[in-house]
Amino acid sequence: AQSVTQLDSQVPVFEEAPVELRCNYSSSVSVYLFWYVQYPNQGLQLLLKYLSGSTLVKGINGFEAEFNKSQTSFHLRKPSVHISDTAEYFCAVSEPQGGSEKLVFGKGTKLTVNP
Amino acid sequence: DVKVTQSSRYLVKRTGEKVFLECVQDMDHENMFWYRQDPGLGLRLIYFSYDVKMKEKGDIPEGYSVSREKKERFSLILESASTNQTSMYLCASSSPAMNTEAFFGQGTRLTVV
Repeated sequence: AQSVTQLDSQVPVFEEAPVELRCNYSSSVSVYLFWYVQYPNQGLQLLLKYLSGSTLVKGINGFEAEFNKSQTSFHLRKPSVHISDTAEYFCAVSEPQGGSEKLVFGKGTKLTVNP
Repeated sequence: DVKVTQSSRYLVKRTGEKVFLECVQDMDHENMFWYRQDPGLGLRLIYFSYDVKMKEKGDIPEGYSVSREKKERFSLILESASTNQTSMYLCASSSPAMNTEAFFGQGTRLTVV
């Protein structure tokens, strides 16, 4: 079974500093990769996704992620964070298998941006 | 916009009650999912469905069942609620035609007392 490891459960940073949230997955076959964000008391929304092609993926709110197949990683980065980026971030992997894909999530990383 | 609607934001139920959580999506998605979210444990898959009347167990199906009689609706059933089922429940839908990107509802925070 696939698994997703988010290496940091909490990441505190100061406003305007760069941030990297780390994600590793276990699958050795082709996968789709996703980062979702959850603001307090809300559902999850998609930040970005990797399906194929360029390994550098750009998403909403200035976030980007790099797919590294040899290291089975999909780390999320932002060069300069804002207070409003404070949220919980989830990495997820989906193995395409026709009509029965399922998303497997990591345990989440709480990003706290301090003034 | 894709919309996934969960019938309740907050629910309080008593131990032993039968509880129904309802989820409706308006994008004709084939796949629907129920997750449970607990602090420090992330999202854990309870059940998913890839077609009407089809269902598959996820990682933590014990104590739950599901029903999908229509494509747009996916119900999660707690047969006899217990306090350890107090949690946030999230419904999602996706379609292989949309590269499996999942769209989530706002969540139902269930408290079992």
